[in-house]
Amino acid sequence: GENVEQHPSTLSVQEGDSAVIKCTYSDSASNYFPWYKQELGKGPQLIIDIRSNVGEKKDQRIAVTLNKTAKHFSLHITETQPEDSAVYFCAASRVTGGGNKLTFGTGTQLKVEL
Amino acid sequence: DSGVTQTPKHLITATGQRVTLRCSPRSGDLSVYWYQQSLDQGLQFLIQYYNGEERAKGNILERFSAQQFPDLHSELNLSSLELGDSALYFCASSVADSNSGNTIYFGEGSWLTVV
Repeated sequence: GENVEQHPSTLSVQEGDSAVIKCTYSDSASNYFPWYKQELGKGPQLIIDIRSNVGEKKDQRIAVTLNKTAKHFSLHITETQPEDSAVYFCAASRVTGGGNKLTFGTGTQLKVEL
Repeated sequence: DSGVTQTPKHLITATGQRVTLRCSPRSGDLSVYWYQQSLDQGLQFLIQYYNGEERAKGNILERFSAQQFPDLHSELNLSSLELGDSALYFCASSVADSNSGNTIYFGEGSWLTVV
């Protein structure tokens, strides 16, 4: 089955700096890669996703890049703000007619310091 | 608010007992997913239902079962509970089961503590 590795496990940045979180996946057939933000006591919230036919996607301060050959994808957050502090999870799935089960990375605790 | 509703939010029960977690998907969503989040295992996929039928299965224990009803709400039944079943259980939903990939929205979770 799919295996997703995520690094780093913790990340501390100064407000205004950029943050980068990296993930690798094992199943070359995976074609959908979402990123979720989880705040304390809440459920994961989708912040951005990318499909395998796209190399990069951007939404305001958040961007995701995908390298299918190397089987890795990254989340980039620019101009970080204190409210960006949370746990971020990457995930991968092979969406087929049989389902869409996400395999999650182990999470990155991002702390944005003033 | 994702639109996915889960009840109860917190539940404390004893070992050997049985509990039922309930989920109402977002309006219009046909697929329901159940995930377990624990400190040692992270976020693990348990099972998916699409329009009442089981569609995908993950590492769900035989002591656990789920179903999706005609009104599309879903229930996760956990029986013969063990201390290790203590975790946050998330329900999620998406519009449809398709090959194009679709956004999966998570509820706020049901926190289960087995004592």
